[in-house]
Amino acid sequence: EVQLVESGGGLVQPGGSLRLSCAASGFTVSSNYMSWVRQAPGKGLEWVSVIYSGGSTYYADSVKGRFTISRDNSKNTLYLQMNSLRAEDTAVYYCAREHGSGNYWGQGTLVTVSS
Amino acid sequence: AIQMTQSPSSLSASVGDRVTITCRASQGIRNDLGWYQQKPGKAPKLLIYAASSLQSGVPSRFSGSGSGTDFTLTISSLQPEDFATYYCLQDYNYPFTFGPGTKVDIK
Repeated sequence: EVQLVESGGGLVQPGGSLRLSCAASGFTVSSNYMSWVRQAPGKGLEWVSVIYSGGSTYYADSVKGRFTISRDNSKNTLYLQMNSLRAEDTAVYYCAREHGSGNYWGQGTLVTVSS
Repeated sequence: AIQMTQSPSSLSASVGDRVTITCRASQGIRNDLGWYQQKPGKAPKLLIYAASSLQSGVPSRFSGSGSGTDFTLTISSLQPEDFATYYCLQDYNYPFTFGPGTKVDIK
């Protein structure tokens, strides 16, 4: 059974850093393309980043230069390193496998950026 | 970045109604579009990919159409479990972008 479990969210001060994890089971992270999507409280969905099986990465303009997507094949885990956090980064962060027929989502992890 | 718009932003409908939601891209995206359903406090669920392909396990009352810049999600007969917010997503080029969402609630 495919499962994605996010962790690492929490309260962080503006300018701080946080690393989110997405532990996968039932499939191999490195064989699929994986995304991060976020949702600010009461707002719509915002695509954040993607990493392809070959290692190519892409980012939303709002996070480019501050966030880094990566994976650890030995742990079958996807990461999102978030630096220079701002209040507007406050959101539930979801990891997702693909956006086609192989789509699966985690339950999300809440990141709150506040002093 | 490609801008996605959706209309309407919200609608009220009754069980059994036929519902149509439209998504428009600011430039052509072939058929690289998906439709997602989201209920409060839950992760999004993929309904349609590649504009018109029904995701496995999704009821056949959901259908998608369109290509280029204009796309449609249709629910042929609205069921109680369909009251939710619906989003389109273009995965034609980067950054991928979601539409602002269409909230479907009970009339």
